[in-house]
Amino acid sequence: SQTIHQWPATLVQPVGSPLSLECTVEGTSNPNLYWYRQAAGRGLQLLFYSIGIDQISSEVPQNLSASRPQDRQFILSSKKLLLSDSGFYLCAWSVFVSGPRNTEAFFGQGTRLTVV
Amino acid sequence: AQKVTQAQTEISVVEKEDVTLDCVYETRDTTYYLFWYKQPPSGELVFLIRRNSFDEQNEISGRYSWNFQKSTSSFNFTITASQVVDSAVYFCALSEANVSGAGSYQLTFGKGTKLSVIP
Repeated sequence: SQTIHQWPATLVQPVGSPLSLECTVEGTSNPNLYWYRQAAGRGLQLLFYSIGIDQISSEVPQNLSASRPQDRQFILSSKKLLLSDSGFYLCAWSVFVSGPRNTEAFFGQGTRLTVV
Repeated sequence: AQKVTQAQTEISVVEKEDVTLDCVYETRDTTYYLFWYKQPPSGELVFLIRRNSFDEQNEISGRYSWNFQKSTSSFNFTITASQVVDSAVYFCALSEANVSGAGSYQLTFGKGTKLSVIP
């Protein structure tokens, strides 16, 4: 069965510090990978998605970046955190399908980031 | 542009009551997919159901049921005989068909409905 791991679970970082959140998926190959952010009291916002190694698309311009160095590894980074980067970050994966069909995404347990 | 509206921000019910969570969506596509997710206090999102726009059959899974009505652009979720473990934030989401290639990209989420089931 497929599993998704995301760490750390919680993180408190000062403004201006770097960030690295990691996500790995097991039990599947060539998944689509996603980073979502959930700000307090708001819905989920897609930040990045990837359909393959080194293939990253950004949905929202910001000071965050994503990388996919391996098939099942997705990393969210920042060189300098802002207060507004605080939130709950969720990694997700979905099965790669061809054609105009969509499948559900499965989410990790999330990282609660507080920038102070 | 696609949009999902969950007008109910918070709902409280007493255990064993039935409760319906509303979801209204907007999309210009004729092919699209609708989802419900549950977010318990632990934070992770748990997938509950996916529905495509061609399948208007209602679905029942145990105490959960979903009513998809294209005529009103709604995809409502009913929990029968609610239990304390149902307490969570529930999200409705929409994804348009990706005609250019592979897989689901953007899920557009509603803002969620927080359900509290009181013992």
